[in-house]
Amino acid sequence: EDQVTQSPEALRLQEGESSSLNCSYTVSGLRGLFWYRQDPGKGPEFLFTLYSAGEEKEKERLKATLTKKESFLHITAPKPEDSATYLCAVPQGGSEKLVFGKGTKLTVNP
Amino acid sequence: DAGVIQSPRHEVTEMGQEVTLRCKPISGHDYLFWYRQTMMRGLELLIYFNNNVPIDDSGMPEDRFSAKMPNASFSTLKIQPSEPRDSAVYFCASSLSGPLRETQYFGPGTRLLVL
Repeated sequence: EDQVTQSPEALRLQEGESSSLNCSYTVSGLRGLFWYRQDPGKGPEFLFTLYSAGEEKEKERLKATLTKKESFLHITAPKPEDSATYLCAVPQGGSEKLVFGKGTKLTVNP
Repeated sequence: DAGVIQSPRHEVTEMGQEVTLRCKPISGHDYLFWYRQTMMRGLELLIYFNNNVPIDDSGMPEDRFSAKMPNASFSTLKIQPSEPRDSAVYFCASSLSGPLRETQYFGPGTRLLVL
């Protein structure tokens, strides 16, 4: 069964303290890995899509990377406004259905 | 554009009652998705439509759940009869084309509580 596991479940950082979130997956023939951000009480908001191992994408303080078995979301010098739950997702099997991990709840303290 | 619109935003009902959730996708988007989010199971896809036609409903938990898309600008998710375990946040999302190549835009969600 296709699985997406995110770690850690929760991460608390001080403002400016860089770190990484992990998303590991077990799916054959990866056809894309998606990162979303979700603020409390809101729907997820798209961040990145990565399609092949070695690919990297950046947006402000966030950089997503992809290997054959996992993806990392690197957060450089985070600010309190980066506090959110970060979700990753992969397509299930040969379908277009996205399977989401349970997310990492990031809290950045000022 | 106003984004994906969902109504109601909050719903409290009693076990056994019918619940109807509504969604208006972004104009021009061909795909519409219904998701459910709980603490235990995370975000799960229930069903999705392409050009108003249901493509995959394998995530619909039981026959108590049904979804329709009578036209390109409106979809409903109905639960009849509702049960306490249906309590969750239900999201609707839409995308311009296939979900693997296009961003899914999520609505604000409907928070459902079944007593």
